[in-house]
Amino acid sequence: ETGVTQSPTHLIKTRGQQVTLRCSSQSGHNTVSWYQQALGQGPQFIFQYYREEENGRGNFPPRFSGLQFPNYSSELNVNALELDDSALYLCASSSHDGGGRADTQYFGPGTRLTVL
Amino acid sequence: GNSVTQMEGPVTLSEEAFLTINCTYTATGYPSLFWYVQYPGEGLQLLLKATKADDKGSNKGFEATYRKETTSFHLEKGSVQVSDSAVYFCALRSSNTGKLIFGQGTTLQVKP
Repeated sequence: ETGVTQSPTHLIKTRGQQVTLRCSSQSGHNTVSWYQQALGQGPQFIFQYYREEENGRGNFPPRFSGLQFPNYSSELNVNALELDDSALYLCASSSHDGGGRADTQYFGPGTRLTVL
Repeated sequence: GNSVTQMEGPVTLSEEAFLTINCTYTATGYPSLFWYVQYPGEGLQLLLKATKADDKGSNKGFEATYRKETTSFHLEKGSVQVSDSAVYFCALRSSNTGKLIFGQGTTLQVKP
């Protein structure tokens, strides 16, 4: 069974640029959630995707957007990068329980984004 | 709103010492509770979980009991090892959304 994978591992961008991060969900999972983890902090929920649609969003501006594909993989896009966007971006996959909630979430290794 | 509070770190222990990391939560409804562990340079690994009051989650010698009366989910281990050195995160998943809400994390350092 393949776990959650993310790419790239590390990324360096400059302020104002755009970035795309990718996530492949664990086999059998249909839901992907994205989190931002600033240095020394707990992860903060960005949004969740289920059936290729956004299924909940945290307190992040619209320049954070996402996609989910038919194979349940997902992308996180961030436009107009700011210095404060520097963080570890974590993807988590899970199975939707049919009651509007994602079951236990399993995390990938993350993508370390540095904005200069 | 929902929130999780963990004890401040770092926690420094000698090998084979007893570990407690305190976690309390504020939530409406009946949240599920989780402990995740993060080793240096890695993502989060699920350590254990509990989905209802009085449930005990356990894994790799770690335990935590879901206490609704005290809104707590303290992590314990009877004898820590150097390899347990990591950052531990307590989290809740609210009963009506799929998102996880994390505490700020507690760093554990175990010395030989």
